[in-house]
Amino acid sequence: QQPVQSPQAVILREGEDAVINCSSSKALYSVHWYRQKHGEAPIFLMILLKGGEQKGHDKISASFNEKKQQSSLYLTASQLSYSGTYFCGTGMGAQKLVFGQGTRLTINP
Amino acid sequence: GAVVSQHPSWVICKSGTSVKIECRSLDFQATTMFWYRQFPKQSLMLMATSNEGSKATYEQGVEKDKFLINHASLTLSTLTVTSAHPEDSSFYICSALRDGQGEISNQPQHFGDGTRLSIL
Repeated sequence: QQPVQSPQAVILREGEDAVINCSSSKALYSVHWYRQKHGEAPIFLMILLKGGEQKGHDKISASFNEKKQQSSLYLTASQLSYSGTYFCGTGMGAQKLVFGQGTRLTINP
Repeated sequence: GAVVSQHPSWVICKSGTSVKIECRSLDFQATTMFWYRQFPKQSLMLMATSNEGSKATYEQGVEKDKFLINHASLTLSTLTVTSAHPEDSSFYICSALRDGQGEISNQPQHFGDGTRLSIL
């Protein structure tokens, strides 16, 4: 069952904040976040393994609400380099990830 | 680092041709690799899980006789698209898991740069 991401697309000015949500209809074992630029490989951002967990790097952080079966990715004071498509991947059992449909983020100067 | 090399980057060929795509983990061993397919502006759709020393596990709806996977060593998996047709045109991406890092869904996947396949 594919997780649902929202919004589908966001356009920001440099320096603005964004939140991307990822929801699942099934219990989540883990949530992964990746960013992909056009024509390139997805780049790993972070994994959240436990309900209530929050982590971040630089100005990108994420939270995992296990009870609500959802995760959110926060981008603070966005930079031009943050542009791309963000995918959440949810661990369904131990053997694979199922990716959301993606959120396209455009940062304008 | 955790570098994954995918080759070729792009290929154009005639309908009916078979095409082989390689996925190599350059600086780590990977018993498990994944093959994804991605259509423009869409998500990564898992095609199969490739395991060194055993048969690949295919997702529902993926023809195992059409998409042949061989995981020949701890650093190499190949995907062969047999008798390719225009509907097989897509972006194919592999990922690899570093050995010894625990459960599959609890560790990062390291992606190759993808192969753009165009069948005329």
